[in-house]
Amino acid sequence: AQKITQTQPGMFVQEKEAVTLDCTYDTSDQSYGLFWYKQPSSGEMIFLIYQGSYDEQNATEGRYSLNFQKARKSANLVISASQLGDSAMYFCAMREDHNNNDMRFGAGTRLTVKP
Amino acid sequence: KAGVTQTPRYLIKTRGQQVTLSCSPISGHRSVSWYQQTPGQGLQFLFEYFSETQRNKGNFPGRFSGRQFSNSRSEMNVSTLELGDSALYLCASSPLGQGRSGANVLTFGAGSRLTVL
Repeated sequence: AQKITQTQPGMFVQEKEAVTLDCTYDTSDQSYGLFWYKQPSSGEMIFLIYQGSYDEQNATEGRYSLNFQKARKSANLVISASQLGDSAMYFCAMREDHNNNDMRFGAGTRLTVKP
Repeated sequence: KAGVTQTPRYLIKTRGQQVTLSCSPISGHRSVSWYQQTPGQGLQFLFEYFSETQRNKGNFPGRFSGRQFSNSRSEMNVSTLELGDSALYLCASSPLGQGRSGANVLTFGAGSRLTVL
């Protein structure tokens, strides 16, 4: 069974600095996808970045990058040049590519950006 | 392109009542998934519909049900509401069904916040 672990319930970062949000996962599948979502206080889940298990390069999307270490089963999100609007809950998620598995989410990390 | 629309956004019910939530996916998306989000349990998968068929179901009691119409709009129903059903119910749509492709991104709506008194 797939399991996602986010060990940081809350994180603080100074505006304009970089921050890393941790995510580890457990799966016996060889083919899977890893996702990060942002959830502001409004409630809507916003897709940030995707990494496939067979992708050799780390994914990047603007200020977001995913530090993918397959052997360690970790998929940490790095946010560079933090902005006040980055304050939100961040969820790591995984979906195995086979057997119609649904996307499973970690418990989330609350990021607060300080001015 | 319009996003995923969920109605109603907020509602209050009492124990024993039933509730129906609606979700309109992004045009062209055939898959709709439902999730329940609570502070204690986090995000939990309820079920997924693809082309009007339920393809996958989470570990929820039979009081939770859903359906999908031919235009891909989906509804979920909770009967005999309990206090523990108070939650944010999130709907997500995707072009393909879950499990079809690792890169198949779910696009979420803003959610329906249900309070059971």
